[in-house]
Amino acid sequence: GAVVSQHPSWVICKSGTSVKIECRSLDFQATTMFWYRQFPKQSLMLMATSNEGSKATYEQGVEKDKFLINHASLTLSTLTVTSAHPEDSSFYICSASAGNNSPLHFGNGTRLTVT
Amino acid sequence: GDSVTQMEGPVTLSEEAFLTINCTYTATGYPSLFWYVQYPGEGLQLLLKATKADDKGSNKGFEATYRKETTSFHLEKGSVQVSDSAVYFCALSPPNTNAGKSTFGDGTTLTVKP
Repeated sequence: GAVVSQHPSWVICKSGTSVKIECRSLDFQATTMFWYRQFPKQSLMLMATSNEGSKATYEQGVEKDKFLINHASLTLSTLTVTSAHPEDSSFYICSASAGNNSPLHFGNGTRLTVT
Repeated sequence: GDSVTQMEGPVTLSEEAFLTINCTYTATGYPSLFWYVQYPGEGLQLLLKATKADDKGSNKGFEATYRKETTSFHLEKGSVQVSDSAVYFCALSPPNTNAGKSTFGDGTTLTVKP
């Protein structure tokens, strides 16, 4: 079945550095991918919608200059957390589907810890 | 706007017990309804879904029926196993909308003890 691969699964970085997270759809083309943030024991918060070949659409309250999203191909979207701070520590999850009314497939998430 | 309300957890059951996790929603029209499961340290996996009223989604012994009259989509399983221990999320997606923009409930943590 369809698989979404997310890398890395965990990363520890120092405050002030940037971290890139990749999300790949392995056996289907995804014109749209989604990035979420999940706090402990809470639900998923949609951060942005990643559109292939165009700018990402960010949800209200999400800083687009801090969370850079690039969707360079139909199978790859990247999220870069720039100038990371300890409050950015969280579990980041991506998802993708082949289109509206198609099943949604999630990556396994990335645990980011900023020290 | 759309919203999903799930039964608060955590829920702790013994193996082979009956499981119900309540989910109610608020939305206009006829959204699609989903249950996702998240195992520790992983992303979400679609467990089951229903796209119209009275539809029953089922998978791995889990079932949920789309009840328009009560705006509910309760998750049930007749006999849980230790391997069912996970966090369960109810979600809705408006018609003709990518499921990635679903509204998710807060999740219910299920622990099944041997």
